Amino acid sequence: AQKITQTQPGMFVQEKEAVTLDCTYDTSDPSYGLFWYKQPSSGEMIFLIYQGSYDQQNATEGRYSLNFQKARKSANLVISASQLGDSAMYFCAMRDTGGFKTIFGAGTRLFVKA
Amino acid sequence: NAGVTQTPKFQVLKTGQSMTLQCAQDMNHNSMYWYRQDPGMGLRLIYYSASEGTTDKGEVPNGYNVSRLNKREFSLRLESAAPSQTSVYFCASGGTPWNYNSPLHFGNGTRLTVT
Repeated sequence: AQKITQTQPGMFVQEKEAVTLDCTYDTSDPSYGLFWYKQPSSGEMIFLIYQGSYDQQNATEGRYSLNFQKARKSANLVISASQLGDSAMYFCAMRDTGGFKTIFGAGTRLFVKA
Repeated sequence: NAGVTQTPKFQVLKTGQSMTLQCAQDMNHNSMYWYRQDPGMGLRLIYYSASEGTTDKGEVPNGYNVSRLNKREFSLRLESAAPSQTSVYFCASGGTPWNYNSPLHFGNGTRLTVT
């Protein structure tokens, strides 16, 4: 069965420093996609970054990168040079070919300190 | 570029009342989804529609019904609201259902309170 685990309910980071948000997943499907979404206090869900199970390189999108370790089934989000606007809830998600569904972790709330 | 439009934004119901949450997308996506978000539990799938004319139960379907009216619209109905259905509801759409590389596009959410 699919499962996404985010073990950090809350994280603090100093402005301009890098931070890693943890995500582990479980699926028996060899074909799957991993996603990170950001939810600011205004409530909308914003897609940040995607990593496919067959991708050889870690995905990057601006200050966001995904540290993909397939053997460990982890897909950690790295935010470099944190900004105050990065304070938000972050969700890890996965979609495989088995059921057309995207499942989400419980989320990590990130606080960026000035 | 409207994307996914969801109405209403806020709603307060009394126990036993009914209501329908509306969702429309203009991205020509085949699949559409309804999630609920509760503190500490992430987003849980209520129902989804892989394509026009089909609907399927997700993780937490009890107490809800859905209608895929056409390719653009996917509504969620609470027939007899209960306090346990107090939540934030999100509609999302996401390309063809077998493309596991398709991110979801979300509406802005509906905050529902059932008293």
